[in-house]
Amino acid sequence: AQSVTQLDSHVSVSEGTPVLLRCNYSSSYSPSLFWYVQHPNKGLQLLLKYTSAATLVKGINGFEAEFKKSETSFHLTKPSAHMSDAAEYFCVVRRLSGGYQKVTFGTGTKLQVIP
Amino acid sequence: DVKVTQSSRYLVKRTGEKVFLECVQDMDHENMFWYRQDPGLGLRLIYFSYDVKMKEKGDIPEGYSVSREKKERFSLILESASTNQTSMYLCASSLRDRVFGSYGYTFGSGTRLTVV
Repeated sequence: AQSVTQLDSHVSVSEGTPVLLRCNYSSSYSPSLFWYVQHPNKGLQLLLKYTSAATLVKGINGFEAEFKKSETSFHLTKPSAHMSDAAEYFCVVRRLSGGYQKVTFGTGTKLQVIP
Repeated sequence: DVKVTQSSRYLVKRTGEKVFLECVQDMDHENMFWYRQDPGLGLRLIYFSYDVKMKEKGDIPEGYSVSREKKERFSLILESASTNQTSMYLCASSLRDRVFGSYGYTFGSGTRLTVV
């Protein structure tokens, strides 16, 4: 079984301040973890992914996330928020087993950036 | 650039109507997927297809069917729309060996369906 919990449904930050979007996962297997972003009226875009290589993963637009197995966390961070970062963010866990894949989405975190 | 195009951005249908949601991709992808997105529930997989005329049930197939007569087109069908099918529907596509989360797995911008 696997699950993913996004701890905050809404996060509000001021422009230029750090961003932290929290994600905890549960998986019986070594998971792959992803962060996706969805801007209004746009499709989902892959921000970054962890697939058992380096635990600190850098993505697009200055975002990064750290896989912490001991804490079962994969929090998304950015040092300085930009207005264009306002969007909804999804944490996703994936398990691959042979030709079978199981994908579970988190419920999403809406990021508001205040000028 | 891979493009996944969903024919309608917004749709309003009546309860009991038969509804077709269309998705077209232009990069010769083998795999196509339909998801449903609801607030507080994230995305859930309805159906997917690995090839023309092939279909597989996802996590929530009840009340839906699909059609893949051509490689580039994947249709989601609501045989008799109900109000609990009001949602945002997202289509995605990928090459055969591109699993979820690969950079070749591409989403459309969604169709917001309201059933009244």
